[in-house]
Amino acid sequence: AIQLTQSPSSLSASVGDRVTLTCRASQDSSSGLAWYQQKPGQAPKLLIYDASSLQSGVPSRFSGSGSGTDFTLTISSLQPEDFATYYCQQFSSYPYTFGQGTKLEI
Amino acid sequence: EVQLVQSGAEVKKPGESLVISCKGSGYNFPTFWIAWVRQRPGKGLEWMGFIYPRDSDTRYSPSFQGQVTLSVDKSISTAYLQWSSLKASDTAMYFCARLQKSDYMDVWGQGTTVTVSS
Repeated sequence: AIQLTQSPSSLSASVGDRVTLTCRASQDSSSGLAWYQQKPGQAPKLLIYDASSLQSGVPSRFSGSGSGTDFTLTISSLQPEDFATYYCQQFSSYPYTFGQGTKLEI
Repeated sequence: EVQLVQSGAEVKKPGESLVISCKGSGYNFPTFWIAWVRQRPGKGLEWMGFIYPRDSDTRYSPSFQGQVTLSVDKSISTAYLQWSSLKASDTAMYFCARLQKSDYMDVWGQGTTVTVSS
């Protein structure tokens, strides 16, 4: 199975900061990668699919890039509602797998 | 509005059986795969498997093969996750989600909490 390693595991930042989260795959995942945001007590929410496509309704401050084994999620200017845990997930080969998550804290 | 609505929280004893459900609405239910994801307390997301409502084709993650059963009743737009004998380690939140054509999950249910305790 493809293993996804997210870094950092946690990150402290401030409103207005630009932050970049990383997801590294143990094998080539092509562009089959998505990013999800999860807040406490809520279901995950899709942000980015196919590595760089912005899901409808998601603010444009979120962007994704990468292919193969190295992927990033960038938030250009943090807003208070962005403090959450972020997961990457690969869907290029079975079994589909998630990264362990990055917790973004104030 | 496209949505997935899951059944309510469950409290069970070890060894008991359980079925939880996920009802889709607002879209053509038979033509989109439904995935199930586990999240243990304070932990990350784990992909369990998915099922295609039109023909019940099913794929399981090796970690969950033989541990759970996925099923579907397309006539009522509902997918199910079933255990025949629960363990304490099955205590978790379980989410269902709709898969888009390239298999990312675009719509999620609200989650069902399962607590297994003697």
